[in-house]
Amino acid sequence: SQQGEEDPQALSIQEGENATMNCSYKTSINNLQWYRQNSGRGLVHLILIRSNEREKHSGRLRVTLDTSKKSSSLLITASRAADTASYFCAPFGRYKLSFGAGTTVTVRA
Amino acid sequence: GAGVSQSPSNKVTEKGKDVELRCDPISGHTALYWYRQSLGQGLEFLIYFQGNSAPDKSGLPSDRFSAERTGGSVSTLTIQRTQQEDSAVYLCASRDSGDTQYFGPGTRLTVL
Repeated sequence: SQQGEEDPQALSIQEGENATMNCSYKTSINNLQWYRQNSGRGLVHLILIRSNEREKHSGRLRVTLDTSKKSSSLLITASRAADTASYFCAPFGRYKLSFGAGTTVTVRA
Repeated sequence: GAGVSQSPSNKVTEKGKDVELRCDPISGHTALYWYRQSLGQGLEFLIYFQGNSAPDKSGLPSDRFSAERTGGSVSTLTIQRTQQEDSAVYLCASRDSGDTQYFGPGTRLTVL
C-alpha cells in the first residue's frame, strides 16, 4: 500500500533537543508530505518534498527523502514544548494522501 | 482567508440514528476529501471529490456511508443507522491547485 509508516511510534525528548522520526512507504509517489496534529483534531501541513528533491528545510524542520529506499525523515531542531504533537507522513500518489499511525512526540520542559 | 470549517464540532447520537456532518472547504478549492480517525490511529481515507468528476468512494466502509458535494463547494457526509464502531473524529480537507491539503478541525462523533 502507499500508506506511510512512521517510526518510532512515540518519542520523548527534553526541550532544546532535536527530534527525528522516520517514514517508510511502498509505492512510487509524486511527493511526500508531513503533517502535525495537536490534541487529536485538525492536521496542519508542515512541509512537502517532491520526488525529485532529496532535502528540504523550513524553519526548524528538515526533511529528507530517499526514493530508492522509499523512506523519509523529519528532523525538528531545538525542540520546544509547543512541538508536542503527533506527526504524520503522507505519501502523495495520483491524488490521495495515505497516512500512517503517526509518531507522538512529547517535549519535556 | 478563512480555512476549512466543519460542523458540528461534536455530535453524540444513539445507535441506529442517522447523522449528517458538514464541511465548508476553502473558497476556490476544487478538491475535497473526507477522512476518519479512530482514537490513537492514523487517518482513514473515505471519499474524494474533484470538480464535476465522479467521486472516488473507494474508502467508504459500508453502504451506510454516503457523501454529497453541492455546487462544487459544501459537502455533507451522511451516516445512516449509526453503529458504535462509527465513533471517531471525521476530518474534511480541501486541496488547492498544488498537492497540499488543508484540514478542518474535525467533528467528533460519539455513538452511544
